[in-house]
Amino acid sequence: DIQMTQSPSSLSASVGDRVTITCRASQSVTSYLNWYQQKPGKVPKLLIFAATNLQRGVPSRFSGSGSGTDFILTISSLQPEDFATYFCQQSYTTLLTFGPGTRVDMK
Amino acid sequence: EVHLVESGGGLVQPGGSLRLSCAASGVSVSDSYMNWVRQAPGKGLDWVSVIYAGGTTHHADSVKGRFIISRDNSNNTLHLQMNSLRAEDTAVYHCTRGLGDGMDVWGQGTTVTVSS
Repeated sequence: DIQMTQSPSSLSASVGDRVTITCRASQSVTSYLNWYQQKPGKVPKLLIFAATNLQRGVPSRFSGSGSGTDFILTISSLQPEDFATYFCQQSYTTLLTFGPGTRVDMK
Repeated sequence: EVHLVESGGGLVQPGGSLRLSCAASGVSVSDSYMNWVRQAPGKGLDWVSVIYAGGTTHHADSVKGRFIISRDNSNNTLHLQMNSLRAEDTAVYHCTRGLGDGMDVWGQGTTVTVSS
């Protein structure tokens, strides 16, 4: 199975900050990498698919980059509603795997 | 609008069985690829199973041989038959619709607790 790691596991930030979260795969997943946001008590929400594509309805302050094994989720200017946990997920293989998550909380 | 509603969770003893269901509306389960994803209390997301539009299925190694994903096209419902349940299977189980590469619709989930 492809193992996914994320860094950092948590971070503290302020409204307006630029936030970057890294996801690494144990082997190349080409561009088959998705990002999700999960708020407490809510189901995950798809933000980015195929590494760089913004899901319909997701604000443009979210962006994704990378290919192969290294990927980045960027929030250009953190908003109050963005405090949440973010997960990456590879869809390169039929056995899908998620990263462990990065919690973004208020500084 | 697409809605997924899970049911069938509950408390079961180790070694027991449960059958989860996911009723879909706004989407045909036979036209999409559908997944089960679980989340243990306070933990991350754990993919469990997928069934593709053509009927091919795959399961995570942790549940292979114990869980079976299936669908009922006539009732537009996804199922997960879970046998030989273990304490580590305790989680909220979500059904999701796969669209392209990602999972764009998630049900609210049904809670499975495996305990004696």
